[in-house]
Amino acid sequence: NAGVMQNPRHLVRRRGQEARLRCSPVKGHSHVYWYRQLPEEGLKFMVYLQKENIIDESGMPKERFSAEFPKEGPSILRIQQVVRGDSAAYFCASSPPGGATNTIYFGEGSWLTVV
Amino acid sequence: AQSVTQLDSQVPVFEEAPVELRCNYSSSVSVYLFWYVQYPNQGLQLLLKYLSGSTLVKGINGFEAEFNKSQTSFHLRKPSVHISDTAEYFCASTGGGNKLTFGTGTQLKVEL
Repeated sequence: NAGVMQNPRHLVRRRGQEARLRCSPVKGHSHVYWYRQLPEEGLKFMVYLQKENIIDESGMPKERFSAEFPKEGPSILRIQQVVRGDSAAYFCASSPPGGATNTIYFGEGSWLTVV
Repeated sequence: AQSVTQLDSQVPVFEEAPVELRCNYSSSVSVYLFWYVQYPNQGLQLLLKYLSGSTLVKGINGFEAEFNKSQTSFHLRKPSVHISDTAEYFCASTGGGNKLTFGTGTQLKVEL
């Protein structure tokens, strides 16, 4: 998977708690993406970030979800006040600049379970 | 807007038999197409991609796909499958930007 590191791999949260998912992109990649995979479904785009900027957040739920990619450190996907419907696999991906002609590399995912 | 349709949710096949996983796309603009494979509890691995040029694209693990503009299809094929090919396969597209639109996936199950 070309070096996209996600942690934690598995996370269990009770309803109402906060979940923080981290993603370190491939070294040298400045573009980060978050996708969500619900059971029995394909991946759905959530957000696209570059360093310190949100480029496209059209797939992010309007409430409780936020994402950042600071100048230093990993990208964070934050889910506040989790509900059962947030249980899913969250995949981070990264790419160098240049658009779709560059391969987008995926991490191994973070599986969130809300109990 | 982009959309990707994978008509088959599951495809069972015997080992060493050929397989085709179907993918159709819709787009009002130029399109780039991808096939990814996902093994259980793992992330996605790129099998192959079509950006331009030759319509027959060869990928890893013996897979290939053919871009057919008139039929808006990008079917994935392998002439002889192995047990280790058992996995979920996702077709995806983008109109040139960085946002991938995925199909719902096809579970390939290879049996002895």
